[in-house]
Amino acid sequence: GEDVEQSLFLSVREGDSSVINCTYTDSSSTYLYWYKQEPGAGLQLLTYIFSNMDMKQDQRLTVLLNKKDKHLSLRIADTQTGDSAIYFCAYPDKLIFGTGTRLQVFP
Amino acid sequence: KAGVTQTPRYLIKTRGQQVTLSCSPISGHRSVSWYQQTPGQGLQFLFEYFSETQRNKGNFPGRFSGRQFSNSRSEMNVSTLELGDSALYLCASSPSGGFYEQYFGPGTRLTVT
Repeated sequence: GEDVEQSLFLSVREGDSSVINCTYTDSSSTYLYWYKQEPGAGLQLLTYIFSNMDMKQDQRLTVLLNKKDKHLSLRIADTQTGDSAIYFCAYPDKLIFGTGTRLQVFP
Repeated sequence: KAGVTQTPRYLIKTRGQQVTLSCSPISGHRSVSWYQQTPGQGLQFLFEYFSETQRNKGNFPGRFSGRQFSNSRSEMNVSTLELGDSALYLCASSPSGGFYEQYFGPGTRLTVT
């Protein structure tokens, strides 16, 4: 069956770049999403990438998709304390979410 | 526009009891989906309602049920609560259904003791 894996934790210093990774087994999804969940809040769609793209840039966010290795990543440039949250990758049309990566940003 | 609201935000129940959670979607949205979030299992889809009809269902036991009213508000019910039902329950609304354009509420934190 389909499976999406993420590392559980990532800790970075303010101002550095963060890279959150996601590996998946099913490659038939049209889109791949990244959600952000702040404490006490629901999921907020951050960005997405079409499955026929390799890269998408959106201000401080860069999404890379390696279809050969079935690997998706989210890079956050100049990470700020406000970026501290849990990040989920997801296949919306398969209703599959990754396990979530908790990003902690320290000064 | 007001966002998705969920009530109550926190709930403590005892094993064997039942619970009802409520979700009010964004005005004009006709679809409401429910998800269970736990540290071990992540986010899992429960069901989707569109125009008062259940359109999709996840792999949860029959103890989990839901309904949607004519004003698109939705309720989720869990009967005979088990300790493993302790979770954050999220609802998401969508203007036309499906899972591409969903707006999530803050969730209801259910603790079963």
